[in-house]
Amino acid sequence: RKEVEQDPGPFNVPEGATVAFNCTYSNSASQSFFWYRQDCRKEPKLLMSVYSSGNEDGRFTAQLNRASQYISLLIRDSKLSDSATYLCVVNTVGGNEKLTFGTGTRLTIIP
Amino acid sequence: GAVVSQHPSWVICKSGTSVKIECRSLDFQATTMFWYRQFPKQSLMLMATSNEGSKATYEQGVEKDKFLINHASLTLSTLTVTSAHPEDSSFYICSARDIGGVTDTQYFGPGTRLTVL
Repeated sequence: RKEVEQDPGPFNVPEGATVAFNCTYSNSASQSFFWYRQDCRKEPKLLMSVYSSGNEDGRFTAQLNRASQYISLLIRDSKLSDSATYLCVVNTVGGNEKLTFGTGTRLTIIP
Repeated sequence: GAVVSQHPSWVICKSGTSVKIECRSLDFQATTMFWYRQFPKQSLMLMATSNEGSKATYEQGVEKDKFLINHASLTLSTLTVTSAHPEDSSFYICSARDIGGVTDTQYFGPGTRLTVL
């Protein structure tokens, strides 16, 4: 089983729609969780950290369920510029910034 | 936000040659830098953790004698791919952890695309 699993997609959704991505992780000792965005042939960029209480940043909402080892990302009112690959990332060892990346979910927003 | 640069951004070389990639933290100090590799349509895979002033820690399956890492200062780490072969062609990305930051965040460089002919 992969340490971090994501549905690779692709997700093709119309502009303005709401889209949700899910991610599961296998190591119950994981400490920190993130969503990164990666554009084609570019480096990943941090989108947001994910906290147990859930957090929101504009149109983006992230949720963490430690009991189910599950992370989600919700994008509301999607824009064309949201088209990218979204990477679920887990810090698998507390205090050691070793990030484990999911394979990513490809999102394309259709005009 | 913090800035990490990589040089070169792309390189094409012949099989058997060695390629050096530099990773610099431009506006912060980084005792720890990380080297990742990403093959097409695959996830980033951590190759090694580079620690300033000490030996790098390699992930399982990564040959330390082939991928030489040097972290000589708080702002520079280098990855040398020795005797590169076509199967080493990949997107190499470094990241740096800001020791002075409020949160433990890794900042990624723009990546180096290596093509070995």
